Amino acid sequence: EPEVTQTPSHQVTQMGQEVILRCVPISNHLYFYWYRQILGQKVEFLVSFYNNEISEKSEIFDDQFSVERPDGSNFTLKIRSTKLEDSAMYFCASSRGTGDGYTFGSGTRLTVV
Amino acid sequence: AQRVTQPEKLLSVFKGAPVELKCNYSYSGSPELFWYVQYSRQRLQLLLRHISRESIKGFTADLNKGETSFHLKKPFAQEEDSAMYYCALSGTGNTPLVFGKGTRLSVIA
Repeated sequence: EPEVTQTPSHQVTQMGQEVILRCVPISNHLYFYWYRQILGQKVEFLVSFYNNEISEKSEIFDDQFSVERPDGSNFTLKIRSTKLEDSAMYFCASSRGTGDGYTFGSGTRLTVV
Repeated sequence: AQRVTQPEKLLSVFKGAPVELKCNYSYSGSPELFWYVQYSRQRLQLLLRHISRESIKGFTADLNKGETSFHLKKPFAQEEDSAMYYCALSGTGNTPLVFGKGTRLSVIA
């Protein structure tokens, strides 16, 4: 069964540093998403991406965040200047479209120290 | 605004007992409802979606528009059902999934 792949599985970074989280969505999916889950809290939507542009973003997705699909297979989330409160599990997901449900990656645990 | 409420943070049942994980939603249009499961240290996996009306691993969920609920049920719990369960809603026009806070199901032998 096809999977969404995320790398790295765990990233530790110093406050103020830039990080890039990488995802390879399922190849025939058209919609891509980033979610995050702070420890002990619920899964929160960050951003959705379709047709090479952001289709929707949440209040969490401020100017520190950006997404890119640089080469037609990877889908990246960049945090420009990390803060302690950015520490969370970040999940990438993809879907074919409405009603199909999302396929999630196994997540990247980001720890900002 | 879309909102999903899972009132129970933790639910413990004995093996073989029936299970019901509650989910209520708030959405003005016609929602699409899903249940996701997350086993220990694994990824979120799609368990059920209401439009397919299927039964996966013995779980079923019926959308009740009158009560705005989408409760997840299983008649006989198994130890391997122990996991986090998330109810999620998507509105019309491919709006992003909104998740509830999740319920941790613990099945005791």
